[in-house]
Amino acid sequence: DGGITQSPKYLFRKEGQNVTLSCEQNLNHDAMYWYRQDPGQGLRLIYYSQIVNDFQKGDIAEGYSVSREKKESFPLTVTSAQKNPTAFYLCASSPLKTSGGAEMETQYFGPGTRLLVL
Amino acid sequence: AQKITQTQPGMFVQEKEAVTLDCTYDTSDPSYGLFWYKQPSSGEMIFLIYQGSYDQQNATEGRYSLNFQKARKSANLVISASQLGDSAMYFCAMREPFSGSARQLTFGSGTQLTVLP
Repeated sequence: DGGITQSPKYLFRKEGQNVTLSCEQNLNHDAMYWYRQDPGQGLRLIYYSQIVNDFQKGDIAEGYSVSREKKESFPLTVTSAQKNPTAFYLCASSPLKTSGGAEMETQYFGPGTRLLVL
Repeated sequence: AQKITQTQPGMFVQEKEAVTLDCTYDTSDPSYGLFWYKQPSSGEMIFLIYQGSYDQQNATEGRYSLNFQKARKSANLVISASQLGDSAMYFCAMREPFSGSARQLTFGSGTQLTVLP
């Protein structure tokens, strides 16, 4: 079945440690996104990528890094510079409409990764 | 200013009744898309329904319908015949393809719906 997978489901980070969250999709979508969700709040965009080897910062990119070496994969690294990393992280993907109708692009989400700081 | 406002932090509805979840938005773009997502306690975001700014009719998907009032900038979600499985957090979101980060979805703060047996 086509879909988006994220791993691990739970991740624990020690102080000063970098950790990487995995996101893979087999929907053949061009665009991929990372969001952060804090308790009782909506989602905020960290990074997004529209094509391989290209990505753009979202609203809260500080302390995070990404790569897009393959169309199917968009890993997120939470660096030690992110001082408050405890949150729920959601990865999403969408097709791209290159000729009009970009407002119609629906994003589909993975099951998420909960990151906790030890 | 908030781009997406959901004024109901929590809502209760009796099983088999209909419920309306409110969403208002703010944009100066003539072209935009509005989305509703459901987030059960497991955490996954499930796409429910989409409404385009140029769509003449309100969107419907099974028991979900979107009450789109463009002049009032509101896009309320109506769930008919509520089921216990509808208990979840519901988010309204908007995409403005020509503003800010292209293709970014802006989310509201959500409404927690509880369906009572």
